[in-house]
Amino acid sequence: DTGVSQDPRHKITKRGQNVTFRCDPISEHNRLYWYRQTLGQGPEFLTYFQNEAQLEKSRLLSDRFSAERPKGSFSTLEIQRTEQGDSAMYLCASSRGQLATNEKLFFGSGTQLSVL
Amino acid sequence: GQQLNQSPQSMFIQEGEDVSMNCTSSSIFNTWLWYKQDPGEGPVLLIALYKAGELTSNGRLTAQFGITRKDSFLNISASIPSDVGIYFCAGRFGGSSNTGKLIFGQGTTLQVKP
Repeated sequence: DTGVSQDPRHKITKRGQNVTFRCDPISEHNRLYWYRQTLGQGPEFLTYFQNEAQLEKSRLLSDRFSAERPKGSFSTLEIQRTEQGDSAMYLCASSRGQLATNEKLFFGSGTQLSVL
Repeated sequence: GQQLNQSPQSMFIQEGEDVSMNCTSSSIFNTWLWYKQDPGEGPVLLIALYKAGELTSNGRLTAQFGITRKDSFLNISASIPSDVGIYFCAGRFGGSSNTGKLIFGQGTTLQVKP
């Protein structure tokens, strides 16, 4: 299976700790997206990369959040000094990044974060 | 964050019935996508729509891109128990600012009674 892979699937941490999530996109997909989803809501955009360049960040992405995609392949999302409000499902998606508008985003299974 | 208005919020139907859900926006989109999400999993793409008025089917699923480009609907015919899940619409803006990111609706939770 060459779908979007996320690790870990679940993370439980104490408030104030740092956490890091990893996303491996579909091979040859040059766009990678991070979304956050809370219970009962649709996914909300956090940030996206075109290859290794981070081209857009949502206002939801506070300065405690940082995302990287150093070689234009996998990406990491780090949350520093976690707060209980950070508890959510963190979803990664990738796409080919075609200039045409018929672009499809494929999502991973997500990382469920619980901050105690 | 900005979201689409998706309705109904939830549906409880009998197996074999048809289902219809829709999504509206105050903004014009140039792409509409429909996803299904099972508990604890990521959204899975069902149907993608790229042109106003476009009607596309995927098995028992049919979706349409509204002519105004501000709405879309999804129909499921002859529902079966495995159709249970949360269905999300998602829209994308076009133009030079097209980053490819999607704006999601709040979801429609579907339950099917055997």
